[in-house]
Amino acid sequence: DADVTQTPRNRITKTGKRIMLECSQTKGHDRMYWYRQDPGLGLRLIYYSFDVKDINKGEISDGYSVSRQAQAKFSLSLESAIPNQTALYFCATSDKDGDAADTQYFGPGTRLTVL
Amino acid sequence: GQNIDQPTEMTATEGAIVQINCTYQTSGFNGLFWYQQHAGEAPTFLSYNVLDGLEEKGRFSSFLSRSKGYSYLLLKELQMKDSASYLCAVRDNTPLVFGKGTRLSVIA
Repeated sequence: DADVTQTPRNRITKTGKRIMLECSQTKGHDRMYWYRQDPGLGLRLIYYSFDVKDINKGEISDGYSVSRQAQAKFSLSLESAIPNQTALYFCATSDKDGDAADTQYFGPGTRLTVL
Repeated sequence: GQNIDQPTEMTATEGAIVQINCTYQTSGFNGLFWYQQHAGEAPTFLSYNVLDGLEEKGRFSSFLSRSKGYSYLLLKELQMKDSASYLCAVRDNTPLVFGKGTRLSVIA
């Protein structure tokens, strides 16, 4: 079984709709992240959470919100989707301890298309 | 501010050696990571450097010079399956900042 899972894997929606992307992990990591990836722009951080009660904005948080429901679950919401939010979205987790602390492990991604 | 530069694309021949460079300017430094990402898939962790020098892992090696703000990823005995994007990422006092990635094409 995959350590980091994302649902749905693909989603097509219309402008103005509310969308939730979900992420679950079985790695036991405290830290979780949401990124979006666009061609030519690389991975950009949307939000991150270092534990259940911690939520932080990343580089491009406008238009997004998150919820950390439990250590293992971190969801990303688009309250009113717009076409320029069409992208590949990745969830990632990391462990603050260890030799390569904060190595991030990525889920398989969600391809979101907003029409 | 934070800035990470990598070449956009590279092409190399099967069986050869290729070096992918990464330069960075960040407000702090607490480690440099390399990831591999095949098209449409998730990035996967390749290597981590926090001290100057070379780290070797099989066919892949990664080098860091903190004074020069410079790293490279060296891939030896290239295989067709090495065709992918390679992402350089730096950790300062915040979560990782990623470069835009280098798309490597391995040709026969």
